[in-house]
Amino acid sequence: QVQLVQSGAEVKKPGASVKVSCKASRYTFTGYYMHWVRQAPGQGLEWMGWINGNRGGTNYAQKFQGRVTMTRDTSISTAYMELSRLTSDDTAVYYCALVGATTEWFDPWGQGTLVTVSS
Amino acid sequence: SYNLTQPPSVSVSPGQTASITCSGDKLGDKYAYWYQQKPGQSPVLVIYQDNKRPSGIPERFSGSNSGNTATLTISGTQAMDEADYYCQAWDSSTVVFGGGTKLTVL
Repeated sequence: QVQLVQSGAEVKKPGASVKVSCKASRYTFTGYYMHWVRQAPGQGLEWMGWINGNRGGTNYAQKFQGRVTMTRDTSISTAYMELSRLTSDDTAVYYCALVGATTEWFDPWGQGTLVTVSS
Repeated sequence: SYNLTQPPSVSVSPGQTASITCSGDKLGDKYAYWYQQKPGQSPVLVIYQDNKRPSGIPERFSGSNSGNTATLTISGTQAMDEADYYCQAWDSSTVVFGGGTKLTVL
């Protein structure tokens, strides 16, 4: 069973950037898609985009285009999500989640990374 | 953009059947997925491709999808089922989540 382990909580000032990592155990990126989903306090799930583990192609939600960058390092089975020009509205728990090449569902999910944006 | 609508809350008595709906334009033409999220935890897949249960998910969880509505049904609801539930679908190459439904077992 693949497990996803994310980096620790972050506190950032408005205008800064944050980079969250997600390491997969017993997993090869080939053929998989790593998605990022965020959840503001007390709110629902919001999809941010995905990166293809094989070729590194990306697809970002329109809301985040120009502000989010998803990358991966296949040598260490780790995906990254960087969000720039942070505002207080970006305060949220950020999750990574795997989708298989022939599946369409999110399983498993990482444990989440709390990003707090505060001056 | 594509939208999925869920009721904010549903209440059920222990042992009874809970139904949580998810509405979207021609949702029945797509696959619906359901996730359970308990406080402080990551979401967990409970139904995929409308009505399939992942291994480890109790048989009391079932799903259906037709027309504009997908439904998650929990038969013989237990206290441990109290959680937020989210539906999810794909619209072209983008992912859409419903707003979530808080299931209260009382």
